[in-house]
Amino acid sequence: AQTVTQSQPEMSVQEAETVTLSCTYDTSESDYYLFWYKQPPSRQMILVIRQEAYKQQNATENRFSVNFQKAAKSFSLKISDSQLGDAAMYFCAYRGLGSYNTDKLIFGTGTRLQVFP
Amino acid sequence: DTGVSQDPRHKITKRGQNVTFRCDPISEHNRLYWYRQTLGQGPEFLTYFQNEAQLEKSRLLSDRFSAERPKGSFSTLEIQRTEQGDSAMYLCASSFWRQDEAFFGQGTRLTVV
Repeated sequence: AQTVTQSQPEMSVQEAETVTLSCTYDTSESDYYLFWYKQPPSRQMILVIRQEAYKQQNATENRFSVNFQKAAKSFSLKISDSQLGDAAMYFCAYRGLGSYNTDKLIFGTGTRLQVFP
Repeated sequence: DTGVSQDPRHKITKRGQNVTFRCDPISEHNRLYWYRQTLGQGPEFLTYFQNEAQLEKSRLLSDRFSAERPKGSFSTLEIQRTEQGDSAMYLCASSFWRQDEAFFGQGTRLTVV
């Protein structure tokens, strides 16, 4: 069974600084997607960034980028130029793409990010 | 389309009562998922529909839980004889293609007293 581990329950960063959130996963599949979702307090979960496992190039979305190390099964999120609005729970998630998969997401336990002015 | 909509947003019920939640996915999305999220945890998969067919149910989904998606549009999640352990946030998500991102609703927070 696939698992996702986020070992940092909480992280903090000063506004305009850079922070990296860690995620590791375990799978025997070769074809899958990895995601970072953001869940602000009392608001819905939104996608931050996604990475296709077959792509060697790390995904980037504006201030957000990932460091995808497939062999090490590591998928960290870097937030540059942190803003107060980045404060939220961040979840790392895995979705297998084998033919027997139903596309469900498997989530880690989350990292709470605090941003200080 | 304003996104995935869930109703109600909050529900307080007495132990032993039945509750039903509704999810309206994004209109063209054929895939619909239910997740449960307890405090301090990530969402856990409950069940998945492709159109009106329920294709997978988690072992978390006891026989007190039932979900439907008639006509492949909205979905309902019913919990019978609620227990305190059912208290959680119930999230609905939808997507179109399997490679697409899943869009989440704001969730229904259930409190069983």
